[in-house]
Amino acid sequence: EAGVAQSPRYKIIEKRQSVAFWCNPISGHATLYWYQQILGQGPKLLIQFQNNGVVDDSQLPKDRFSAERLKGVDSTLKIQPAKLEDSAVYLCASTQQGSQETQYFGPGTRLLVL
Amino acid sequence: SQKIEQNSEALNIQEGKTATLTCNYTNYSPAYLQWYRQDPGRGPVFLLLIRENEKEKRKERLKVTFDTTLKQSLFHITASQPADSATYLCALAIRDDKIIFGKGTRLHILP
Repeated sequence: EAGVAQSPRYKIIEKRQSVAFWCNPISGHATLYWYQQILGQGPKLLIQFQNNGVVDDSQLPKDRFSAERLKGVDSTLKIQPAKLEDSAVYLCASTQQGSQETQYFGPGTRLLVL
Repeated sequence: SQKIEQNSEALNIQEGKTATLTCNYTNYSPAYLQWYRQDPGRGPVFLLLIRENEKEKRKERLKVTFDTTLKQSLFHITASQPADSATYLCALAIRDDKIIFGKGTRLHILP
C-alpha cells in the first residue's frame, strides 16, 4: 500500500512570495489533514477535510493560507504572501474515516522563508 | 488554559534499560490518547492508541498507561535499543475528534 505523498520536499522562498504544497493521501482515505510543525514543536492542525468538505479550519490563518480538496482525493495548501514565521514543515496526513483511527503522515514539505 | 506537557525536551537512557516518557495535560477530557514516533526529516508514525476507559495497552516492547484522574499518560520502552532513538509525540483527542499534539520528547538510547 502506497503511503501519503507530498511534494515538493523542500522549498525556499523570500517573504511576500507565494508557495503551494501538494498532498496525495492513501487511496480510499476520506479524511485529510494539513499540519504545520515549527522546529521543536508538535504538529499543529491547520485544516481537516472530510472528502471535499472542510471539517475544521479554525487554526488556519485565512488571510494568507488557503487549502482545497476539489475532488475529495488530493489536496493543495497555499500561502500567499509568505512571512518569515511561516518557516516550518508542512505535514499532510490521512485516515479512512475520522481521527478515531491511526493518522498516516506524509514525509512533509520543509519551507524556509527568507 | 489548556496545556499538554511532555516531561522533558530530551531524555538519555542506557541501552537495555526501560525508557519512560510522560505526557501530562490540563483542562482537557480526552476520549483517547495516541503516541507517535518521529524520526528527523520524516512524518510521525503511529505507535499506540489508548482510550479513556483503558488503563494500559501493550505492543511488543511498548507499553502505554492512561490515568484520567492524574491527567497523565506514561509511555514505556523496555529493553531499549539505539534504534529506538527518536522524538516521541503524544496526541490527545478532544471534542469533535480534534487532535492536539504535545511538543515531543527526544529520546537518545546510549550504546
